[in-house]
Amino acid sequence: GAGVSQSPRYKVAKRGQDVALRCDPISGHVSLFWYQQALGQGPEFLTYFQNEAQLDKSGLPSDRFFAERPEGSVSTLKIQRTQQEDSAVYLCASSFRQASSYEQYFGPGTRLTVT
Amino acid sequence: GESVGLHLPTLSVQEGDNSIINCAYSNSASDYFIWYKQESGKGPQFIIDIRSNMDKRQGQRVTVLLNKTVKHLSLQIAATQPGDSAVYFCAENPFSNSGYALNFGKGTSLLVTP
Repeated sequence: GAGVSQSPRYKVAKRGQDVALRCDPISGHVSLFWYQQALGQGPEFLTYFQNEAQLDKSGLPSDRFFAERPEGSVSTLKIQRTQQEDSAVYLCASSFRQASSYEQYFGPGTRLTVT
Repeated sequence: GESVGLHLPTLSVQEGDNSIINCAYSNSASDYFIWYKQESGKGPQFIIDIRSNMDKRQGQRVTVLLNKTVKHLSLQIAATQPGDSAVYFCAENPFSNSGYALNFGKGTSLLVTP
């Protein structure tokens, strides 16, 4: 079956531009997670949705980062006024379960480069 | 602060040999651990998981061992193949079933040579 998909796969933005990254989770998955992965590092948690509710956004690095999942399926991560330190791979993961103590399925990620 | 870490950043093994990748964790409250494999340009791929009420779990060619006494986790890959070359991450849920973040280690790069 179809896995988690993300678009675009690559995004180049000039510093100060706004970007929107899309995640299509596996159909029927309740939980959706966003992670940020810097080069050579492990993924770092950004935010978590259970259906349409954003239950944890403690990992968002600044108020320039905003995520939504209005209908409980597709999610968008928006970064306003991008900075060079925002350059990273942004990973989306989904899970059938309502907690992170179960298997999360990851998408291929969006590589964001801010110039 | 408490974190998940790895003993070795890189590991080179010959095809057909067994591989062992180690991971240390410091949060004694962690009760769920996962190993992920990440190939270049791809997202992490689930390999195997284990809960704290177990000390060993086996999958296809992989075994995860959990030693809670010394807070150590290992991934054993039997008969390593070229396709196993990737970065391997261990991850923990430090909050039992009440938290949402998975904490990932830095990763170990496994290189399988012919």
